[in-house]
Amino acid sequence: AQSVSQHNHHVILSEAASLELGCNYSYGGTVNLFWYVQYPGQHLQLLLKYFSGDPLVKGIKGFEAEFIKSKFSFNLRKPSVQWSDTAEYFCAASHGGATNKLIFGTGTLLAVQP
Amino acid sequence: ETGVTQSPTHLIKTRGQQVTLRCSSQSGHNTVSWYQQALGQGPQFIFQYYREEENGRGNFPPRFSGLQFPNYSSELNVNALELDDSALYLCASSVRPGTAQSPLHFGNGTRLTVT
Repeated sequence: AQSVSQHNHHVILSEAASLELGCNYSYGGTVNLFWYVQYPGQHLQLLLKYFSGDPLVKGIKGFEAEFIKSKFSFNLRKPSVQWSDTAEYFCAASHGGATNKLIFGTGTLLAVQP
Repeated sequence: ETGVTQSPTHLIKTRGQQVTLRCSSQSGHNTVSWYQQALGQGPQFIFQYYREEENGRGNFPPRFSGLQFPNYSSELNVNALELDDSALYLCASSVRPGTAQSPLHFGNGTRLTVT
């Protein structure tokens, strides 16, 4: 069955620390991968997406993610976090197709301490 | 441009009742998808509407139904509410269905509590 796993449920970092959030997917065939962010009190927003090509994807606000096909992974990274990065982060995958429905992971709550 | 708007923001219903949630899609978007997000979980796909017809459905029972109107707004209806239906219901619109190049734009959601 198609699934997306996020291993870190809660992460606490100090400002300027580096961030890496894990995401693994279980999909057959071609997969599209996404990271969404939900800031407190706001709606889900797209951080970055991977369809094909360069496996290192740059997103907004200094985030990047690397698609490693052999590991079925799409980890999110940021070299230096800020307090404003405090949010919940969701990894998601889709096959595209008729509906392009997304399968989401359970999310990672990131708290950045000033 | 106006984003995705959902109403109401919060709702409390009793088990067995029926509920209707509403969503206005973002300007220029003709596709609406609905997701259920239970506490501590990621969103789960309920169904998608395109050109006023259901265009794909997740693993939800028939008591979850929907509509899309000519202006692309949408409703989610849930009959015979159960306690497990308590969740945040998210609406997302996109320029078109069926392509990853058309990302989803989410609303703030409707928080449904069933007692």
